[in-house]
Amino acid sequence: TQLLEQSPQFLSIQEGENLTVYCNSSSVFSSLQWYRQEPGEGPVLLVTVVTGGEVKKLKRLTFQFGDARKDSSLHITAAQPGDTGLYLCAGQGWDSNYQLIWGAGTKLIIKP
Amino acid sequence: DSGVTQTPKHLITATGQRVTLRCSPRSGDLSVYWYQQSLDQGLQFLIQYYNGEERAKGNILERFSAQQFPDLHSELNLSSLELGDSALYFCASSTGLAGASTDTQYFGPGTRLTVL
Repeated sequence: TQLLEQSPQFLSIQEGENLTVYCNSSSVFSSLQWYRQEPGEGPVLLVTVVTGGEVKKLKRLTFQFGDARKDSSLHITAAQPGDTGLYLCAGQGWDSNYQLIWGAGTKLIIKP
Repeated sequence: DSGVTQTPKHLITATGQRVTLRCSPRSGDLSVYWYQQSLDQGLQFLIQYYNGEERAKGNILERFSAQQFPDLHSELNLSSLELGDSALYFCASSTGLAGASTDTQYFGPGTRLTVL
């Protein structure tokens, strides 16, 4: 059974600080996606990483896919209150249905 | 706006009752997914349909069922409701193309179900 573990589960920091969220597995994924979900809304896709070692940047957010395609990280530089939300990672497996395996999420609060 | 619509937005009902949640996927998407999210929890995958056929099953209770119609909209039926079924229920859609390693799921706004 494929599992994705996210850490930390909860993070509360001051505006302007940097942070990193991790998504780890013992399984290999064909791709990995990061979503952000705001209260009362559905998750919204931030990025998809496909190649081992790939790094993608989205303004102050940097996403990295591990060389072995088993883990990923999301780094936020100079966090802002607007970054507050639940961050979810989801790995796509290799079976014919390409099912997404979801992490439990990291709840991030950025205090002004 | 993801292009996925869900109705109703809120639903309040009593234990033992039956409800139906509705989802319309994005135009052109053939695959529909249903998820349950309890308070401060991650997403629990329930079931996936592709072009009218069940494609994958997750942690869906026997009291729950779903279907996808010829026009590709989907309904999730929840019966004999219990207090613990109170949650946000999300529908997502994707192209569902086999072999697409980056099949993005687009989520609807969710239905908040409260069982009293």
